[in-house]
Amino acid sequence: QVQLVESGGGVVQPGRSLRLSCAASGFTFSSYALHWVRQAPGKGLEWVAVISYDGSDKYYADSVKGRFTISRDHSKNTLYLQMNSLTSEDTAAYYCAKVPAQTVGVRNYFDYWGQGTLVTVSS
Amino acid sequence: EMVMTQSPATLSVSPGERATLSCRASQSVSSNLAWYQQKPGQAPRLLIYGASTRATGIPARFSGSGSGTEFTLTISSLQSEDFAVYYCQQYNNWPPSYTFGQGTKLEIK
Repeated sequence: QVQLVESGGGVVQPGRSLRLSCAASGFTFSSYALHWVRQAPGKGLEWVAVISYDGSDKYYADSVKGRFTISRDHSKNTLYLQMNSLTSEDTAAYYCAKVPAQTVGVRNYFDYWGQGTLVTVSS
Repeated sequence: EMVMTQSPATLSVSPGERATLSCRASQSVSSNLAWYQQKPGQAPRLLIYGASTRATGIPARFSGSGSGTEFTLTISSLQSEDFAVYYCQQYNNWPPSYTFGQGTKLEIK
């Protein structure tokens, strides 16, 4: 069965960096686009970033563009999110999510989600 | 900028009754709309994609309709496990932004 397991969250000071990981199993990792979606405490869902199946296409929400970088390692079946210059606005649970498509755009609805990892940005 | 607006923010319904949730897009998303259910402390779960296709394992009491800018999620006979927050999400625009609605909380009346 499909499993997505996020890790790397924690408490970090404003302006610092953090890298999240999402270990995937139960599907052919190299065949699907993957996303990060976040949810601030008590708030709704916010899409963060997407990477195509082969890593050639990446897109970001305006709120994180230039600060966050999405990447994937097919040898480790792992998705990453490098987060730099963190602010309190980035405090949220971060979910990785799979879509039933190779590329960005079409059919990019989230058919599987991880359980999330909490990032708290605070001094 | 694509904006997805859900209404109402909170819906109070008795078990066994029908619930109707709405989602409006600020511009046409064709049928590229999904619905998710989220319970406290859990990740969202995909219910509907393509505006009207139930995801694997989703009970038939959940149905979606609409196209363009107006969409509806209907739960025909509410069960206790259906009380949760529901989100719509579009996956149509370019460059991609995958916008979510703000959510509708479905609570027990």
